[in-house]
Amino acid sequence: NAGVTQTPKFQVLKTGQSMTLQCAQDMNHEYMSWYRQDPGMGLRLIHYSVGAGITDQGEVPNGYNVSRSTTEDFPLRLLSAAPSQTSVYFCASSTRDTQYFGPGTRLTVL
Amino acid sequence: DAKTTQPTSMDCAEGRAANLPCNHSTISGNEYVYWYRQIHSQGPQYIIHGLKNNETNEMASLIITEDRKSSTLILPHATLRDTAVYYCIVRSLETSGSRLTFGEGTQLTVNP
Repeated sequence: NAGVTQTPKFQVLKTGQSMTLQCAQDMNHEYMSWYRQDPGMGLRLIHYSVGAGITDQGEVPNGYNVSRSTTEDFPLRLLSAAPSQTSVYFCASSTRDTQYFGPGTRLTVL
Repeated sequence: DAKTTQPTSMDCAEGRAANLPCNHSTISGNEYVYWYRQIHSQGPQYIIHGLKNNETNEMASLIITEDRKSSTLILPHATLRDTAVYYCIVRSLETSGSRLTFGEGTQLTVNP
């Protein structure tokens, strides 16, 4: 199993550009989530999903959209990138007990 | 989910046991204690979790006090590769499995 994969690993955007961060898991987990981590801080929850077709907002959802059309994929869309969205983004999939994290996407918005 | 308090940083000598404390004085009866760690620049990694009994796995041991208001994660023989930020998280299993609330954790540095 590949576990949780994220693409791209690095991305530089200009203010106002849009993009999609990809996340896929091959563990057949129902639960998936997106976090961001700013320098020196813990992870903050952006959006999460409890199954295909079901998503909900986390702690910091503004400026981000998600959808969950399949169990495997949970893309995160930045609609109009802002410098405040410069961060490392982690995707996770989970059982009821345990979360498994991807390697992260390092995003810089100029 | 209950709030947790951890020291900002700790040091440990290689080969010795690392004991990482966590206070969770407002924990409820149905809330579990989870530990994750994050090695520099990587995604967090699950270590262990427990409700009220002590737990052990191949990575670590978790000791929870009888009143459940605090716990200690023990790495029995720390290595340089255990240098990481360790997060103590309290979570009810009724909370969605896709939601964890991270604090700032404890930076553990294992010294040669």
